[in-house]
Amino acid sequence: EVQLVESGGGFVQPGGSLRLSCAASGFTFSSYAMSWVRQAPGRGLEWVSGITNSGGNTYYADSVKGRFTFSRDNSKNTLYLQMNSLRGDDTAVYYCAKRTSGRSGFDCWGQGTLVTVSS
Amino acid sequence: QSALTQPASVSGSPGQSITISCTGTSSDVGGYNHVSWYQQHPGKAPKLMIYDVSNRPSGVSSRFSGSKSGNTASLTISGLQAEDEADYYCSSYTSATTWVFGGGTKLTVL
Repeated sequence: EVQLVESGGGFVQPGGSLRLSCAASGFTFSSYAMSWVRQAPGRGLEWVSGITNSGGNTYYADSVKGRFTFSRDNSKNTLYLQMNSLRGDDTAVYYCAKRTSGRSGFDCWGQGTLVTVSS
Repeated sequence: QSALTQPASVSGSPGQSITISCTGTSSDVGGYNHVSWYQQHPGKAPKLMIYDVSNRPSGVSSRFSGSKSGNTASLTISGLQAEDEADYYCSSYTSATTWVFGGGTKLTVL
């Protein structure tokens, strides 16, 4: 069974940092591109960042570019999202998502981890 | 990257059909056949319902179908059932090698 489990969320003050992790199982992790998608309370989905299967290329939404860094360790089947200079509008549930082959969509999602940025 | 445009809400009675639209630009919806649709029940993670405009993943009911014309994609749900009540989001790959989601549509089954 394909499974994604996020961790690392929590409460942080504005300007602070947090690192999210996503542990993957049930599929050949190193063969698939992955993404982070977030959802602010009561709001819609927002794509945050993507990474190729090898980790050689990363892509970011303008809203997080320069502040967030997406990486992966294929030996540990784990994704990481380093979030720096956090702001109130970064408050959201963060989901890691497995991309289908190609650019078709996201066919598996974790349960999400909540990040709250507040003073 | 601006969000794709979806109606905030749609409703229908059991057994009826509804259609949710998703409007983008030539840089996303209109430029690629990589439109997907997601169903999200309250407090749950999104679930992929349609990929590449009109393809259904294994296990998704044939009552769900997708299409696209120009810069607008559509999701149709036929034979509405109570369990279809949820939020629905469209998404598209973009020319900036990113993805963009729609604002979401709340489906109410009357």
